[in-house]
Amino acid sequence: GQQVMQIPQYQHVQEGEDFTTYCNSSTTLSNIQWYKQRPGGHPVFLIQLVKSGEVKKQKRLTFQFGEAKKNSSLHITATQTTDVGTYFCAKFGGKLIFGQGTELSVKP
Amino acid sequence: DAGVTQSPTHLIKTRGQQVTLRCSPKSGHDTVSWYQQALGQGPQFIFQYYEEEERQRGNFPDRFSGHQFPNYSSELNVNALLLGDSALYLCASSFNLYEQYFGPGTRLTVT
Repeated sequence: GQQVMQIPQYQHVQEGEDFTTYCNSSTTLSNIQWYKQRPGGHPVFLIQLVKSGEVKKQKRLTFQFGEAKKNSSLHITATQTTDVGTYFCAKFGGKLIFGQGTELSVKP
Repeated sequence: DAGVTQSPTHLIKTRGQQVTLRCSPKSGHDTVSWYQQALGQGPQFIFQYYEEEERQRGNFPDRFSGHQFPNYSSELNVNALLLGDSALYLCASSFNLYEQYFGPGTRLTVT
């Protein structure tokens, strides 16, 4: 069964609005990875978080790992049309266990 | 430096047939993992190869088998194809298992 739950499934925003996707696990995670998959493309690694409460930033993207290491989030500030795609979280233990993904659409 | 390459790009097969998909890892990578991604879903882990041995396997039937060659390239074989096997098949390579690089995938359609 699914070990990593991701919400929302879809998010439609106006360009310039912010976007957040959440990843939750019922068990403690040793790490969480985030991937972006453009329409018709393949998953591309964005980042890995391993420490409790860790926050990492990549330009307009902010990644957080919860204090209990059971949840994570990806926040995009001021979305652009280039942000369109599906964002996946995944737990990694030699193999990747992906969440269902959040599909982001951005209206110009 | 070429990234992960996969062939073919697209494939159409009939139920009951067999298919072989191929993957060449990124230069310097020695571990290859295969994933199945159904439409609208996250990728599902099939198996992983390292040093020509299957190291881990996901919850897929024995109809799914694989191989890794001495040059680290890999094949995924699926026998007795079912309609439900229609999906995007992704190959991912890595060196230290930290950052996995995905190939463009093979889109398999079973009719």
